[in-house]
Amino acid sequence: DSGVTQTPKHLITATGQRVTLRCSPRSGDLSVYWYQQSLDQGLQFLIQYYNGEERAKGNILERFSAQQFPDLHSELNLSSLELGDSALYFCASSVRGQAGNTIYFGEGSWLTVV
Amino acid sequence: GQQVMQIPQYQHVQEGEDFTTYCNSSTTLSNIQWYKQRPGGHPVFLIQLVKSGEVKKQKRLTFQFGEAKKNSSLHITATQTTDVGTYFCAGPANTGNQFYFGTGTSLTVIP
Repeated sequence: DSGVTQTPKHLITATGQRVTLRCSPRSGDLSVYWYQQSLDQGLQFLIQYYNGEERAKGNILERFSAQQFPDLHSELNLSSLELGDSALYFCASSVRGQAGNTIYFGEGSWLTVV
Repeated sequence: GQQVMQIPQYQHVQEGEDFTTYCNSSTTLSNIQWYKQRPGGHPVFLIQLVKSGEVKKQKRLTFQFGEAKKNSSLHITATQTTDVGTYFCAGPANTGNQFYFGTGTSLTVIP
């Protein structure tokens, strides 16, 4: 158990819909990362937050957004869903937001868009 | 853009054979991390290398960081079925603080 909690574990929704994935980082970790993993692709970095503020942006679509709340939990919002958005979405956390910190991954949220 | 590539993408070995995966970056890395993801699981941190030419060992696993800090390798001696999974290297972005993950090498060990 990494200490990073993600909900829901599985989610099936229709195209055009909107979903919210939730992440609670490890106790004491200030930085949260979101990654997308598809069957034919590796781990794609989406976005990082540090202590409530956006720190870095990767290959995140405009239909996707995220935020980190004062209690440090984070949410990833996916809207106007398309079939290609079906993937495993990982949240990860680290103590600080600096490269070189160990990143601890949650178990992921499986999103299936039908 | 910054890229971290790994080869091979897939590797099948007989149990007891050795295995190596290579990680190559288009830019110099300040450090590199390795993660293992078991089938159906999430990536788990294995190790971090920081110094040029650094070599670290964890039991049957040997990790190397290239002299130019643009490549790294993971070597497993005498593979076991418990080694099955995908191995990712990860390097820090040139700007910002996040890590970019390599494309991964999926290891299958045949008993």
